[in-house]
Amino acid sequence: DAEITQSPRHKITETGRQVTLACHQTWNHNNMFWYRQDLGHGLRLIHYSYGVHDTNKGEVSDGYSVSRSNTEDLPLTLESAASSQTSVYFCASSESKGDYGYTFGSGTRLTVV
Amino acid sequence: GEDVEQSLFLSVREGDSSVINCTYTDSSSTYLYWYKQEPGAGLQLLTYIFSNMDMKQDQRLTVLLNKKDKHLSLRIADTQTGDSAIYFCAESMAGGFKTIFGAGTRLFVKA
Repeated sequence: DAEITQSPRHKITETGRQVTLACHQTWNHNNMFWYRQDLGHGLRLIHYSYGVHDTNKGEVSDGYSVSRSNTEDLPLTLESAASSQTSVYFCASSESKGDYGYTFGSGTRLTVV
Repeated sequence: GEDVEQSLFLSVREGDSSVINCTYTDSSSTYLYWYKQEPGAGLQLLTYIFSNMDMKQDQRLTVLLNKKDKHLSLRIADTQTGDSAIYFCAESMAGGFKTIFGAGTRLFVKA
C-alpha cells in the first residue's frame, strides 16, 4: 500500500545544531508540504513543492529550508535550531489534479533544548 | 489575507449531534475541507465541498456552506466517543494545492 512516512517520530536536539526531518511518500504525488503544529495556532505552512526541483516558502519559512531532488522525498532542514522551533512537524502530499485533499504523515515531535 | 477561524472547544453528550463551525476570508477558495486528528496522529481527510455547492452529506456527516457569509459547518449525527478528536477546517483555491488550515476545534464527547 502507498504511504507517507516521517522520520524520526521524536527528536531532541540542542540549540544551534542543524537538524533534518525526513518525509518519504510512495503515492507518486507531485505536491508535498511541510507544516508545523503549535497549540493555539493550528497548522502553519513552512515550505511546499509542486514538483521536482520546485520549492516555495510558506508563511513561517524563516530558519527552515527544503530541497526536492526526486518525487518521493522532501526533507526539511532547520539550519540552526532555536527553542522557538520546538513543535510537531507534519509532512503532507497531494495530487496536482482532483479534490482528494492531503495525505498526512504521522508527524515528528521536535524538542530544541 | 487568507484566514480560517474556528472555535477551539466543543463538548457534547454521546448520541447528540455535534456542529462545528468555521469562517474563512478568501472568497476565491474553491475547495473547503474538514480534517480529523486523533491523538498522536496526523490529520485525516473527512470530507470536502466545492464552493459551488451548498450541502454535502456523507453517512453521519453533513457539511453546510454559506458562501455569502463565508461560513462552513460540519454536523456529526449520533456523536460517539470515537468521534472525540480535533477537527480542522481548511480552504484551498485548487484541489491538492496550498491549503490554509484553521486552528482546530477539539471535540469532547461525554458518555
